[in-house]
Amino acid sequence: QLQLQESGPGLVRPSEALSLTCTVSGGSINSSPYYWGWIRQPPGKGLEWIGYIYYSGTTYYNPSLQSRVTISVDTSKNRFSLKLTSVTAADTAVYYCARHLGSTIFRRSGTYPHYYTDVWGNGTTVTVSS
Amino acid sequence: DIRMTQSPSTLSASVGDRVSITCRASQSISTWLAWFQQTPGKAPKLLIYQASNLHSGVPSRFSGSGSGTDFTLTITSLQPDDFATYYCQQYDSYPYTFGQGSNLEI
Repeated sequence: QLQLQESGPGLVRPSEALSLTCTVSGGSINSSPYYWGWIRQPPGKGLEWIGYIYYSGTTYYNPSLQSRVTISVDTSKNRFSLKLTSVTAADTAVYYCARHLGSTIFRRSGTYPHYYTDVWGNGTTVTVSS
Repeated sequence: DIRMTQSPSTLSASVGDRVSITCRASQSISTWLAWFQQTPGKAPKLLIYQASNLHSGVPSRFSGSGSGTDFTLTITSLQPDDFATYYCQQYDSYPYTFGQGSNLEI
């Protein structure tokens, strides 16, 4: 059974970078049709999609975070990572890693990916505070 | 960004009841919609994908319907484990966005 486990510091100082890793077990990160991504949830609030990556390295990010976020993949270790720079208190949240399943539709007008989240990690709490 | 609006935000019900939660998209998303259930302190769980497809292992009392901009999650014969917060999410276009959540309480 596929499992995802987040790891990383629980406390990050303002203006520094937040770095988390998600280790995948019970399945290969090299498989298709999966993207591997991150979603966060501030305390008492709703869910925000951060972005995802394909095992080949193709990434898509939420434009609201794009200037500060990087998602990378290490296929040799079957894991992927999130880096968020210049954090503030607004980045305090539970961060979930998640597998996305779906398909990409190719039309003459362009490429249209449609991937939903089918497996989630348990989440890790990150607090931004001095 | 596509805005997802759920109603109601809070819903009171009893064991055995049938309830429905609606989700409206700010523009057409075809059927690219998923529903999730979240209990306190836990990660969300997928219930429904592509508007009406039941995820593996999810009880058949959960069902989804709709297309375009209007969608519904229906739960028949509520069980104690069903009291939770429910979220819809569109995956039609980037960035993928969630509804604000609907809290189903006793």
